[in-house]
Amino acid sequence: GAGVSQSPRYKVAKRGQDVALRCDPISGHVSLFWYQQALGQGPEFLTYFQNEAQLDKSGLPSDRFFAERPEGSVSTLKIQRTQQEDSAVYLCASSRRKSNEKLFFGSGTQLSVL
Amino acid sequence: AQSVTQLGSHVSVSEGALVLLRCNYSSSVPPYLFWYVQYPNQGLQLLLKYTSAATLVKGINGFEAEFKKSETSFHLTKPSAHMSDAAEYFCAVSEWQGNKLVFGAGTILRVKS
Repeated sequence: GAGVSQSPRYKVAKRGQDVALRCDPISGHVSLFWYQQALGQGPEFLTYFQNEAQLDKSGLPSDRFFAERPEGSVSTLKIQRTQQEDSAVYLCASSRRKSNEKLFFGSGTQLSVL
Repeated sequence: AQSVTQLGSHVSVSEGALVLLRCNYSSSVPPYLFWYVQYPNQGLQLLLKYTSAATLVKGINGFEAEFKKSETSFHLTKPSAHMSDAAEYFCAVSEWQGNKLVFGAGTILRVKS
């Protein structure tokens, strides 16, 4: 593909609902990152995959957050029992190698929890 | 722990004037440093990076940044601003390649005609 694709672009959820956010990285990219960007803030790291292995999930804010990349390509970020504080833009980024030297970011999914 | 401070959440310059966006970092180990730019409704795009080679780094669109260890700074500059430079700019630091990036809060650059 031409770039990193994220869907949906916008998601509105009622508090307590589960949501799933999808990321299609650039084909062949080894590394995949998820970031959370609150309004007026910089992106904050959530989790990192190298192929299908989740090597770092230290940024996931609670056990309601879960990410997977089962075949080493598409990734899904799932948030269970959403809360208002989960409202943010969720960014996905990928890189060709096992490094963060040049990340390609998607446009993000804007999640609003009402 | 690493951190990044970007001084000035908003910077306004006239077209043709010097652009200076400030970034100071904190890191207990030699850092890798990055500047990313975000245009409206687009993903973040890498402008330039410092990875322990030359301290003056040149990036895309005429931007450059200088790593100053003594000042723990990595300020972004461009000699002459264009209207198309209007965007939000993020400075970021990481400890080693492959690890997470820690971003600053961002600086919105406005270019006046």
